[in-house]
Amino acid sequence: AQSVAQPEDQVNVAEGNPLTVKCTYSVSGNPYLFWYVQYPNRGLQFLLKYITGDNLVKGSYGFEAEFNKSQTSFHLKKPSALVSDSALYFCAVWGGGGADGLTFGKGTHLIIQP
Amino acid sequence: EAGVTQSPTHLIKTRGQQATLRCSPISGHTSVYWYQQALGLGLQFLLWYDEGEERNRGNFPPRFSGRQFPNYSSELNVNALELEDSALYLCASTPIGDDTDTQYFGPGTRLTVL
Repeated sequence: AQSVAQPEDQVNVAEGNPLTVKCTYSVSGNPYLFWYVQYPNRGLQFLLKYITGDNLVKGSYGFEAEFNKSQTSFHLKKPSALVSDSALYFCAVWGGGGADGLTFGKGTHLIIQP
Repeated sequence: EAGVTQSPTHLIKTRGQQATLRCSPISGHTSVYWYQQALGLGLQFLLWYDEGEERNRGNFPPRFSGRQFPNYSSELNVNALELEDSALYLCASTPIGDDTDTQYFGPGTRLTVL
């Protein structure tokens, strides 16, 4: 079975500071890892994914994520936070083959303070 | 390119009634996934349809069912509604021949059961 953990319910960052949203995963075999963002009363927007290759993945809106196989982590990062980045962020893992859909973490509320 | 669309935006039903939710995937996408996002439970995989067939389902009772039409749009039916079925129901689609299977989500249908 696959699982995802997002250890922080909420992360507070001052505007202009770097941000990190943490994610660890468990999956048998090679993981496909995703980050999505959800704004209030909206669906999920795809940010980035790791399939294979370079451990640093760059995505939309200046976000990037670092895949660390030994620590089974896939933390989301951004060098300089914007107030508009405030939203709910989900990490997800997919075990391949489309069998069970995506398994999501519980989400992390990111709050950027002006 | 139009994204995934879902209808209705909001749906209010009473206990015991049936609800029908609809999803139109991105043009060219053949796989449709359904997820439930209930308060306190996070995002949970419900159903997966591909090429008109149900390929897999999550840990939900049989009163959650659906189908996929020849044009790849999909319908989710929830029978004998219970209060705990109140949630945001999200639909996602994936492109043909994309082994990385990024799922693109619609805005969701908010189902309220009274």
